[in-house]
This record gives sequence, C-alpha cells and structure tokens, in this order.
Amino acid sequence: DAGVTQSPTHLIKTRGQQVTLRCSPKSGHDTVSWYQQALGQGPQFIFQYYEEEERQRGNFPDRFSGHQFPNYSSELNVNALLLGDSALYLCASSWGDEQYFGPGTRLTVT
Amino acid sequence: KQEVTQIPAALSVPEGENLVLNCSFTDSAIYNLQWFRQDPGKGLTSLLLIQSSQREQTSGRLNASLDKSSGRSTLYIAASQPGDSATYLCAVVDTGRRALTFGSGTRLQVQP
Repeated sequence: DAGVTQSPTHLIKTRGQQVTLRCSPKSGHDTVSWYQQALGQGPQFIFQYYEEEERQRGNFPDRFSGHQFPNYSSELNVNALLLGDSALYLCASSWGDEQYFGPGTRLTVT
Repeated sequence: KQEVTQIPAALSVPEGENLVLNCSFTDSAIYNLQWFRQDPGKGLTSLLLIQSSQREQTSGRLNASLDKSSGRSTLYIAASQPGDSATYLCAVVDTGRRALTFGSGTRLQVQP
C-alpha cells in the first residue's frame, strides 16, 4: 500500500512567481491537509480539504489556495511568491483521527 | 489560541538510556494528541495517537502518556538506540477543530 506521495521533491522559484504542489493521499483516505514547515520549527496548518471543499483554514493569506479532486488527490497553489515562503510543504491524509504525512516538497524562493 | 511547547529543545544521551520527552499545551480542550518522528529533511512518521479519553498508548519501546487536565504529555523511550536519533514532534487537535497544532520539537541524538 503506497503511503502519502508528494511531487515534486524539490522546487526552486523566483520571487513573484506562482507554484503548484501536488499530493496523493494514502489509499482509502478522503481528507487532505497541508502544512508549512520553516527550518527548525514545527509545521503550521494551512488548510484542510474534504469532499472537494476547503473545510478549515489556518492563518495564511489568500495567496495560498488549494483544490481537491474527485479521487481525493490535492494541489496547493501559492501565488506571488515571497522569500518567506521558502519552506518544506507537507501534505497529510486521514480517514479517521490519525494523520499520515508525505515526504514533503522543499520549496526555495530566490 | 492553542500553544504547544516541547522541552528540552535538544537532548543527547548514550545508547541504552531510558529517556522522557515532554510536551505541554495551553488549552486542555483537546480532541487528541499525536507524537511524530521526523528525520532531517524528511516527512513526519506517526508514532502514537492518544485520544482525549485515554491516559496512555504503547508501541514497542515507546510509551506516551496524556494528562489532559494539566495540559501535559510525555513520550518515554526505553533502551534508546542510535537509530532513534531524530526530531520528535508533539501535536494536538483541539475539540471542534481538525488541524494539528505542533510544538517545535525535541532534537534527540543517541550516541553509540
């Protein structure tokens, strides 16, 4: 059984550009959450998707948006990239209470 | 607003020692608490999930306890091994919400 997968693994973008990150949940999971982890910090919640709807959102600006597809996979989009958006972006999937994380996408904004 | 604190921030122990990692949270109205392990530059691996109605959970050499009323959880690692070296993160889900709120982690190094 494949766990949570994310693509790409690494990404380098320039300030002002837009980026799309992708996540495939663990088999049987219908809920996907996205987190941002700065170096040396714990992950910060961005938002959660369930049944193709954003169910809850953390304290992130509207530049951060997402989507969930009928097969439960998800995308995270970030517009107008800032240097401060450089971080590890983690996707987590769940069906019950336990959340399972993917390996993350390392985004570097130069 | 929920805040999660982990002490110590870093810990170095010789192989074979038993150790305790601490986690505290400011709002006791939690739904559950989860402990994770993170290797450098990698994703998170779930270790233990404790529901708010439970006092502890065990998996192999790991034991996690929860005292909701005092806002504390501990992760006990028995007979530590070099392979246990990683950052350990504690996270809570507040009642009525769905997001995990994380601490900053404890970076553990087990010396051979």
